[in-house]
Amino acid sequence: DIQLTQSPSFLSASVGDRVTITCRASQGISSYLAWYQQKPGKAPKLLIYDRSTLYSGVPSRFSGGGSGTEFTLTISSLQPEDCATYYCQQLNSYPPAFGPGTKVEIK
Amino acid sequence: QVTLRESGPALVKPTQTLTLTCTFSGFSLNTTGMCVTWIRQPPGKALEWLAVIYWDDDKYFNTSLRTRLTISKDTSKNQVVLTMTNMDPVDTATYYCARLSVGLAPRAFDYWGQGTLVTVSS
Repeated sequence: DIQLTQSPSFLSASVGDRVTITCRASQGISSYLAWYQQKPGKAPKLLIYDRSTLYSGVPSRFSGGGSGTEFTLTISSLQPEDCATYYCQQLNSYPPAFGPGTKVEIK
Repeated sequence: QVTLRESGPALVKPTQTLTLTCTFSGFSLNTTGMCVTWIRQPPGKALEWLAVIYWDDDKYFNTSLRTRLTISKDTSKNQVVLTMTNMDPVDTATYYCARLSVGLAPRAFDYWGQGTLVTVSS
């Protein structure tokens, strides 16, 4: 099974900051990586799929990048509503594992 | 408009079998590329993928839970049923169902249900 790790596990930043979360896969997953945002008590929401494609309705301050086994989620200008936990997920092969999550807090 | 909703017991006893139903609308599991998948999340912990069923009845399961899981679909009712046997307190979690498209964009879990909390306790 492919394993995913995320760093950092916790991030505190100010409104307007640029923040980047890294997701590493234990083996190559082509570009089949998705990112989700989850707020407390809510279901996750899809932000990005296929490594860098922004899902419909997602603000353009979110972007995805990377390749091979290392991928990134960047928020170009952190907003108060971005306070949430972010998960990466590989969809290259079964089982489609999730990363352990990165909690983003506003300073 | 795509929606999914999970239903099932809020409380099960250890060793019992859990049966959850995902009722969906806005798409059909008769359509090529459509799939419904289950994910769970213990309180305060990360997401864990459980199982998926494809439009053509193909199925895949979490490696460590495969002996305890079954998944089936009723396309006439737009429902997918997940069963998990031999429940244990560590299985206490919010259980979500979601839609997955295969061979279509987005290749990701694009629509999710609100989740249902299942507590395992005697």
